[in-house]
Amino acid sequence: DAKTTQPPSMDCAEGRAANLPCNHSTISGNEYVYWYRQIHSQGPQYIIHGLKNNETNEMASLIITEDRKSSTLILPHATLRDTAVYYCIAQLTGGSWGKLQFGAGTQVVVTP
Amino acid sequence: NAGVTQTPKFQVLKTGQSMTLQCAQDMNHNSMYWYRQDPGMGLRLIYYSASEGTTDKGEVPNGYNVSRLNKREFSLRLESAAPSQTSVYFCASSESGYETQYFGPGTRLLVL
Repeated sequence: DAKTTQPPSMDCAEGRAANLPCNHSTISGNEYVYWYRQIHSQGPQYIIHGLKNNETNEMASLIITEDRKSSTLILPHATLRDTAVYYCIAQLTGGSWGKLQFGAGTQVVVTP
Repeated sequence: NAGVTQTPKFQVLKTGQSMTLQCAQDMNHNSMYWYRQDPGMGLRLIYYSASEGTTDKGEVPNGYNVSRLNKREFSLRLESAAPSQTSVYFCASSESGYETQYFGPGTRLLVL
């Protein structure tokens, strides 16, 4: 599985967009980019995932570069409840059994 | 639809005592996982079960055993607890090994 690199922390003002970067320069063609988040003391929560194309759901948008070496998770209008640790993970799919490899993630603090 | 449930929520053990952490999911998922999370760190995979009747070691299996009791239930046993096993334990499940994982609320274990 590809290793991912994320900044350790970032702050965001409430109501503004939060852009979370992730580098995955060794990602292979059959690895999806997954994003999870963990609000303090709770179990991780799935946010979004993608392979090549940009994706959007009710929680966030995922922008993947054309070479797939990096991606950005966008929280369009951050709220205080978005304060959490965000994990970017490259996961095998498409016939290969994969296991999530959690790194240290990015601690996001949304301030009023 | 409760998702993934874990019992107990909190447990204190003395060194050398044994206990079993219980996990159940009601989403008819094939794959289940046990992770541990130490303070300030990401999750590490202990054991997983790709499908009913199979179990495999993850990244940190020493000191633990697991049982996939049926499709719904996956238990984690500590035969002789050690202070190094003080951690938060999360159970997760997914449709298959390369699909989105859904996590339980966690069990906080303190070994004295």
